[in-house]
Amino acid sequence: GENVEQHPSTLSVQEGDSAVIKCTYSDSASNYFPWYKQELGKRPQLIIDIRSNVGEKKDQRIAVTLNKTAKHFSLHITETQPEDSAVYFCAATGGTSYGKLTFGQGTILTVHP
Amino acid sequence: DARVTQTPRHKVTEMGQEVTMRCQPILGHNTVFWYRQTMMQGLELLAYFRNRAPLDDSGMPKDRFSAEMPDATLATLKIQPSEPRDSAVYFCASGPRPSGRATDTQYFGPGTRLTVL
Repeated sequence: GENVEQHPSTLSVQEGDSAVIKCTYSDSASNYFPWYKQELGKRPQLIIDIRSNVGEKKDQRIAVTLNKTAKHFSLHITETQPEDSAVYFCAATGGTSYGKLTFGQGTILTVHP
Repeated sequence: DARVTQTPRHKVTEMGQEVTMRCQPILGHNTVFWYRQTMMQGLELLAYFRNRAPLDDSGMPKDRFSAEMPDATLATLKIQPSEPRDSAVYFCASGPRPSGRATDTQYFGPGTRLTVL
């Protein structure tokens, strides 16, 4: 089955700096890669996703890049704000795990004012 | 703004008791997932259904857990008997019908925080 590794497990940045979280996946047939943000005590919420037919996608301050050859994808947050502090999860699905998301272990992002 | 709903939001019970958690997927979604979240294990998929049929429940301890979808608007997860190690947040998520080879995203409910004493 699919295996997703996420790094780093914790990330601390100053407000205004950029943050980058990286994930690798094992199943070359995976074709859908969402990112979820989870605030303390809340549900995971989708913030951005990318499909395997594109290499990059942006939405305001967040962007995701995908390298299918290397089987890794990354989340980029620019001009970080304290409200960006949360746990971020990457996930992958498709191929043999069609419809079933495999999540990374999560990254605790802390943005210091 | 359609959302997945779950009940109860919090449950405290004693070891050995039966626990039933309920989920109402977003209307029109035909895929329902049950996850368990703990600090140690992160987000674990327990089971999922498509068109009410179970597709994969390999992540679920079969001896005490059961998941059903009696109709398109209700999914249930039962633990009987419950144990302290079952203490976790249980999330339900639903997703729309996948189109072609693309897989659409999952939308999470607010979760049920279960504490087994």
